[in-house]
Amino acid sequence: EAGVAQSPRYKIIEKRQSVAFWCNPISGHATLYWYQQILGQGPKLLIQFQNNGVVDDSQLPKDRFSAERLKGVDSTLKIQPAKLEDSAVYLCASSLEAMVAGAYEQYFGPGTRLTVT
Amino acid sequence: KNQVEQSPQSLIILEGKNCTLQCNYTVSPFSNLRWYKQDTGRGPVSLTIMTFSENTKSNGRYTATLDADTKQSSLHITASQLSDSASYICVVTERGRPGGYQKVTFGTGTKLQVIP
Repeated sequence: EAGVAQSPRYKIIEKRQSVAFWCNPISGHATLYWYQQILGQGPKLLIQFQNNGVVDDSQLPKDRFSAERLKGVDSTLKIQPAKLEDSAVYLCASSLEAMVAGAYEQYFGPGTRLTVT
Repeated sequence: KNQVEQSPQSLIILEGKNCTLQCNYTVSPFSNLRWYKQDTGRGPVSLTIMTFSENTKSNGRYTATLDADTKQSSLHITASQLSDSASYICVVTERGRPGGYQKVTFGTGTKLQVIP
């Protein structure tokens, strides 16, 4: 079974530039998550999709971050314009289903390491 | 506010030794608790999951315990290997309302280094 795919793996940009990350979840997984992981910290949820609808984006800095999940499969996360404090690893994860009281595991991709200079 | 605290922040042990990592949480109502292993430069991978009624769960040399009354969990690693060097993250899921989604809270992790 193929895992969660992310690209690019690494990205270096200057502040005020734009950047986009792509995620392809495991086939059949309804729920997709984007996390921001700053060095030395645990992942912080940015946005959670259930199919192509947003169920939680309470911690997404909406003035500069945006995400979409067209057709309920692939997803892109965009930052425009980037700030120095956005330097982090951006993790994408997917799970079968998060809307029921179960124990569905989140499967993580390798992440995209963003450096803003 | 739901919180998950882990200790120690970092740990260095000799290869072959045992170690125990701690996780305290305030998440309520509780659904389940997972321990993840995150190798450098990779995404987290689930090691164990425990629900309210489970006290212990093993996965090879990894054994997790859960005390739902005191809201504490531990991850015990037996006979450590160099490949155990990684960050270990405790993740607690809040039980969602019927028809609602479950909220997940991540700890900041314990960075373990196993040296020869």
